Amino acid sequence: GAVVSQHPSRVICKSGTSVKIECRSLDFQATTMFWYRQFPKQSLMLMATSNEGSKATYEQGVEKDKFLINHASLTLSTLTVTSAHPEDSSFYICSARDQGEGGIGPLHFGNGTRLTVT
Amino acid sequence: AQKVTQAQTEISVVEKEDVTLDCVYETRDTTYYLFWYKQPPSGELVFLIRRNSFDEQNEISGRYSWNFQKSTSSFNFTITASQVVDSAVYFCALGRNYGGSQGNLIFGKGTKLSVKP
Repeated sequence: GAVVSQHPSRVICKSGTSVKIECRSLDFQATTMFWYRQFPKQSLMLMATSNEGSKATYEQGVEKDKFLINHASLTLSTLTVTSAHPEDSSFYICSARDQGEGGIGPLHFGNGTRLTVT
Repeated sequence: AQKVTQAQTEISVVEKEDVTLDCVYETRDTTYYLFWYKQPPSGELVFLIRRNSFDEQNEISGRYSWNFQKSTSSFNFTITASQVVDSAVYFCALGRNYGGSQGNLIFGKGTKLSVKP
């Protein structure tokens, strides 16, 4: 089955530093990847849509300068949380769809990254 | 507006009981997709099923079954003879159909299922 690898799974950083999260589709190509954020005991909220070779599309209320997204290849998207603050502490999950399924396949999710900003 | 409602926040059952997780959705689209995902305590999201709005056939996969009713905008999920390993948060999600390709998914708030031995 389609596998999405997300790294790191956990990261603790100090306030003011930047953290990069990688999302890789291991056995398929994905022109589009999605980044979600999940607060404790809450649902997943879409942050942005990452498009290979073009700028990401951000949801309303998500600061694009704070959450930098780069989708440089068909198998890799990165999310960088810049100048992280404690309120950025959350569970970040990426997802991707196999473009070989004609854009109608299910989203495959990474294992998530738990970010803790101290 | 697109919306998914999972009214049950938490459900607790004893092993071997059957349990149904409810999902009600709202959409103005004529074609769309519905999904169920499982999120165990480890955090990853596991795809369980996708249903096209054109296909109202119910589906059974082992102990899992899904009941799609367009008339009531519901897509309920039943686990038969529940097991402790079924303990997780289950998310129902709605996906739009953009000319055959989907956009992102809109998730319900999830139902936390606890299966006790």
